[in-house]
Amino acid sequence: DTGVSQNPRHKITKRGQNVTFRCDPISEHNRLYWYRQTLGQGPEFLTYFQNEAQLEKSRLLSDRFSAERPKGSFSTLEIQRTEQGDSAMYLCASSLGGTGKVNSPLHFGNGTRLTVT
Amino acid sequence: AQTVTQSQPEMSVQEAETVTLSCTYDTSENNYYLFWYKQPPSRQMILVIRQEAYKQQNATENRFSVNFQKAAKSFSLKISDSQLGDTAMYFCAFMKQQVNQAGTALIFGKGTTLSVSS
Repeated sequence: DTGVSQNPRHKITKRGQNVTFRCDPISEHNRLYWYRQTLGQGPEFLTYFQNEAQLEKSRLLSDRFSAERPKGSFSTLEIQRTEQGDSAMYLCASSLGGTGKVNSPLHFGNGTRLTVT
Repeated sequence: AQTVTQSQPEMSVQEAETVTLSCTYDTSENNYYLFWYKQPPSRQMILVIRQEAYKQQNATENRFSVNFQKAAKSFSLKISDSQLGDTAMYFCAFMKQQVNQAGTALIFGKGTTLSVSS
């Protein structure tokens, strides 16, 4: 168990550029979550996958945001036309759950810190 | 929609003392899970303790225990024998249990910053 891995750790970009983050969950986990966290605040839910299906999206996920998990393993989160308000820590988490499986708690990665200048 | 409220933005405690962090939540669900997560300055979120709503017995993990009051929708965390390494931001979180096992999002409170001093 190598834990949830997120890359890159830090990303600085200019306003208007596109950025993509990657998350590699714990290998046997079928659920994957993306959260956004600003300084001193709790994580805000963005979206959630069970295997390759995106089952839930927050209203925070504007049309500039898109997430994929094409093979039910790693996931990418893309932000198009970045704005300064997108500056935050983006956290990925994974868990095991569903019919016939024991629901496990969420395990979080170290996050990707995005700074939009 | 579910909400989680942590009314104490900051708490401080001396080493070896006991501290209690408060959390209330609002839901119309009957089956759900409650969690406390810890986020040290290194920023990786770590699970501290978990409680299933159908269990009346309060969860305990070593020095960490909860006081779960379902009717009052209250879920406080007690840390006994506080240690310097307990210094972190603590988040209370809620997850409803889906009947079809599809799972749902984990909803977090805004957090309580705990400082443990020697």
